[in-house]
Amino acid sequence: AQRVTQPEKLLSVFKGAPVELKCNYSYSGSPELFWYVQYSRQRLQLLLRHISRESIKGFTADLNKGETSFHLKKPFAQEEDSAMYYCALGVYSGAGSYQLTFGKGTKLSVIP
Amino acid sequence: GAGVSQTPSNKVTEKGKYVELRCDPISGHTALYWYRQSLGQGPEFLIYFQGTGAADDSGLPNDRFFAVRPEGSVSTLKIQRTERGDSAVYLCASSPRAGDVPFPQYFGPGTRLTVL
Repeated sequence: AQRVTQPEKLLSVFKGAPVELKCNYSYSGSPELFWYVQYSRQRLQLLLRHISRESIKGFTADLNKGETSFHLKKPFAQEEDSAMYYCALGVYSGAGSYQLTFGKGTKLSVIP
Repeated sequence: GAGVSQTPSNKVTEKGKYVELRCDPISGHTALYWYRQSLGQGPEFLIYFQGTGAADDSGLPNDRFFAVRPEGSVSTLKIQRTERGDSAVYLCASSPRAGDVPFPQYFGPGTRLTVL
């Protein structure tokens, strides 16, 4: 079965410092990885996905199949980046559905 | 446009009672998902609908949980004989379809269920 691991429950960084939120996955097939973000009192929303290879709000993530990782990075943290971040692995099931398996999340706190 | 909506936003019930949680997906989205998020955990998949049928209910924890989507739009998650361990935030998500292309899933605000 697939699994997503986010080793840090909480990550605190100073404003302007680089950020790296770690995500490792285990899956025998070809992975599709996502990062979702949940700001305070808001709903879970998609931040980025690896197939798009895009940068959203200054965040990037590269899929490393050798290390089975999909770490989220930003060179200079902003206070508005403080939120809960979830890494998710998308898998097609035999029943035709597309399930997301989430990690437990990392709370990012950016200190002014 | 309007996003995914869920009602109620909060539900408090007593152990053993029956509850229904409602999800209104984004108009035109044929794929609908239910997830459960317990405290300190990420969302866990419960069930997936493509249209009116439950294509994958492999995440439902036991037969006390059931979900319907009779007209291919609104969905209701039903929990019988609730237990304290059912307390969690229940999230609904929709996407244009689940097919060869993994469309993003758009999440609702969730229903916080508390079983006393």
